[in-house]
Amino acid sequence: AQSVTQLGSHVSVSEGALVLLRCNYSSSVPPYLFWYVQYPNQGLQLLLKYTSAATLVKGINGFEAEFKKSETSFHLTKPSAHMSDAAEYFCAVSMPGGYNKLIFGAGTRLAVHP
Amino acid sequence: SQTIHQWPATLVQPVGSPLSLECTVEGTSNPNLYWYRQAAGRGLQLLFYSVGIGQISSEVPQNLSASRPQDRQFILSSKKLLLSDSGFYLCAWSASAYGYTFGSGTRLTVV
Repeated sequence: AQSVTQLGSHVSVSEGALVLLRCNYSSSVPPYLFWYVQYPNQGLQLLLKYTSAATLVKGINGFEAEFKKSETSFHLTKPSAHMSDAAEYFCAVSMPGGYNKLIFGAGTRLAVHP
Repeated sequence: SQTIHQWPATLVQPVGSPLSLECTVEGTSNPNLYWYRQAAGRGLQLLFYSVGIGQISSEVPQNLSASRPQDRQFILSSKKLLLSDSGFYLCAWSASAYGYTFGSGTRLTVV
């Protein structure tokens, strides 16, 4: 069965600093990988997804993630944090043929301070 | 275009009362449907999924049940709510393993 581990339940960065949110997955077959963002009291918004095309995936709001099969990782980065990036971020994995179940990590809450 | 409707947006219910949350999808047929719950300070847990009318699979044992009476309707229910049922409930649909659409969620508070 697939699973997702997000290292660090809370990450704090300064405005303008690099954002790095870590995600490692476990899957018996090549997975599809996703990053979602949740702003306070809102639903989920898709940031980006990897579906076996380019390993470096660019998403919205300046975020990108790189799929590294050898490390079973899909870390999310942004070169320069903005105050509006403060939110909770979820990494998720799905597998073709597995009833399309999307399995989420526990989430990482990103705080951005001036 | 495909849309997903989830209601109500917020709900406060007393312990022991019943629950019914509804989710409907438009613009697609035979979608896979999912119910997720996000408890306070925790991630998103898959509760139920359905690949067709009347076909429900439960991921975790709990006080809740799900039903799919129509192709594009997915209902989450409970006969008697517990305090631990409080949380943010999200409905989602997919037609493949690389595309999911989420509803806006229902925040349930059991008091």
